[in-house]
Amino acid sequence: GAVVSQHPSRVICKSGTSVKIECRSLDFQATTMFWYRQFPKKSLMLMATSNEGSKATYEQGVEKDKFLINHASLTLSTLTVTSAHPEDSSFYICSARDNGGGGNTIYFGEGSWLTVV
Amino acid sequence: QQQVKQSPQSLIVQKGGISIINCAYENTAFDYFPWYQQFPGKGPALLIAIRPDVSEKKEGRFTISFNKSAKQFSLHIMDSQPGDSATYFCAAASGGSYIPTFGRGTSLIVHP
Repeated sequence: GAVVSQHPSRVICKSGTSVKIECRSLDFQATTMFWYRQFPKKSLMLMATSNEGSKATYEQGVEKDKFLINHASLTLSTLTVTSAHPEDSSFYICSARDNGGGGNTIYFGEGSWLTVV
Repeated sequence: QQQVKQSPQSLIVQKGGISIINCAYENTAFDYFPWYQQFPGKGPALLIAIRPDVSEKKEGRFTISFNKSAKQFSLHIMDSQPGDSATYFCAAASGGSYIPTFGRGTSLIVHP
């Protein structure tokens, strides 16, 4: 089946530095990808919608200058957390929409644990 | 405003029993209702999904029941197994965007 790969799965960075998380659709092209943040034992919070070749659409309350999203190709979207702080520590999950076959099915990546120390 | 309400928050079932998770939605524009299964430390995985043109969909031990008039849908896990222990999220999406709005999740524990 369709697979969405996220890298890295775990990352620890120092406060004030930036960290990049990649999201790849491995066997389908995704014009649209989504980035979520999930706190322990909580539901997924949509941060932004990433559109290939155009600017991302951010949800209300999400700082676009802090969470930079780039969707440079049909199989890759990246999330860069800039000037990270401990409160940015979280589980970040991407998903990609497979438009093939008219199904519009959304598949999720495995998630990336970010710890800012 | 919570557009998709999910209950219960947690559920404990004995092995072999039936696990039932319920969701209700408010937006009548929703036309796609997926369920996701998430294990600790992993991303959600699509389990089963239904569209409003059918009232029930079954895949193996997992069944979605859909009541359009009541704007409710539920997941039934038959013959629940310890390996089914996970967090389950219902979701709803609409308008061709298929960006799911998630319920709060249900933590299921199946005792052996």
